[in-house]
Amino acid sequence: AQSVAQPEDQVNVAEGNPLTVKCTYSVSGNPYLFWYVQYPNRGLQFLLKYITGDNLVKGSYGFEAEFNKSQTSFHLKKPSALVSDSALYFCAVRDNTGKLIFGQGTTLQVKP
Amino acid sequence: DAGVIQSPRHEVTEMGQEVTLRCKPISGHDYLFWYRQTMMRGLELLIYFNNNVPIDDSGMPEDRFSAKMPNASFSTLKIQPSEPRDSAVYFCASFPGPPGANVLTFGAGSRLTVL
Repeated sequence: AQSVAQPEDQVNVAEGNPLTVKCTYSVSGNPYLFWYVQYPNRGLQFLLKYITGDNLVKGSYGFEAEFNKSQTSFHLKKPSALVSDSALYFCAVRDNTGKLIFGQGTTLQVKP
Repeated sequence: DAGVIQSPRHEVTEMGQEVTLRCKPISGHDYLFWYRQTMMRGLELLIYFNNNVPIDDSGMPEDRFSAKMPNASFSTLKIQPSEPRDSAVYFCASFPGPPGANVLTFGAGSRLTVL
């Protein structure tokens, strides 16, 4: 069965420093992987996705994600964090029925 | 496009009452999902539809929950009778088929509080 794991409940980083939010997945066949962000009292917003091709995917707000097939990982990264990046981040994988399965979420806290 | 529209945004009710949450997907999107979010359990998939037909309802907690999609532009999630443990934010989301890499778009959510 398809699954997604986000091993960290919370990530703390200082403004201006690089950030990484980790995600590992398990899926049969080719993976379709996604990152979403949720700000307080809002719905989830799409950040980026991996289909095939380049292992480094660029998305909204300066975020990017690195796909690593051998490690079954899809970590979210940003070279320089902003306080406004503080939010809840979800990694997700789509199975072959169309169902999108989310990880448990990681709270990113960026301190000034 | 107005996006995925959910109503009500907030609902406070008493235990035992019936609750109906509503969703209008984006026009042309033939997949519709209902998720529930709580602090304890995170984001849970309850049920999803394709072309108005329920495909997977294995996430529906129990018989008190039911969902319908009578047409391509409307879906409801009903809880009867409601219990305090149903308190959560319920999200509706949609995307156009076929699956693959199409992006799931979420509504703003319906926050339910059962007293």
